[in-house]
Amino acid sequence: EDQVTQSPEALRLQEGESSSLNCSYTVSGLRGLFWYRQDPGKGPEFLFTLYSAGEEKEKERLKATLTKKESFLHITAPKPEDSATYLCAVQGPDYKLSFGAGTTVTVRA
Amino acid sequence: DSGVTQTPKHLITATGQRVTLRCSPRSGDLSVYWYQQSLDQGLQFLIQYYNGEERAKGNILERFSAQQFPDLHSELNLSSLELGDSALYFCASSVTGDSGNTIYFGEGSWLTVV
Repeated sequence: EDQVTQSPEALRLQEGESSSLNCSYTVSGLRGLFWYRQDPGKGPEFLFTLYSAGEEKEKERLKATLTKKESFLHITAPKPEDSATYLCAVQGPDYKLSFGAGTTVTVRA
Repeated sequence: DSGVTQTPKHLITATGQRVTLRCSPRSGDLSVYWYQQSLDQGLQFLIQYYNGEERAKGNILERFSAQQFPDLHSELNLSSLELGDSALYFCASSVTGDSGNTIYFGEGSWLTVV
């Protein structure tokens, strides 16, 4: 069964203090690794999809990277509006998307 | 706005009752997914449909069922409801459901069972 583990569970940052979130995964035949942002009571908002080891994608202050066993989401110089729960998910050969528990990021001004 | 529409947004019902949640996928998307999110479980995959056919099944209870109609909208039916079924139910859609297709989520339907 696909497994996704995210760490840390929670991250408190000062505005401008860069950090990284980790997503470790086990899947037999990765179709894609997804990163989403979720605000309380809202639906997950798509950020990135990564398909193969070595791939990197960037969007504003966020950068996602992928290896064969884990993915990192780097937040550079975060702002308070980057506060959210960041979810990692893997899609295996059976098409279903398996999510990790998420990392809740709080950025203080 | 992801383009995935879910109704109703909020629903309160009693134990033992039956409810139907509705999802309209993004225009052009053929694949629909249903997820359950509760405080202690995170996002749990329930079921996926592609162009009207069931494609993948997760830990969906026998009391729950879903279908995708010819116009591609989908419904999730929850019956004999229990207190533990209280959760946020999300629908998501993608063009084909294969790799290489972004999966977009709706805003969810809050179900409270009392």
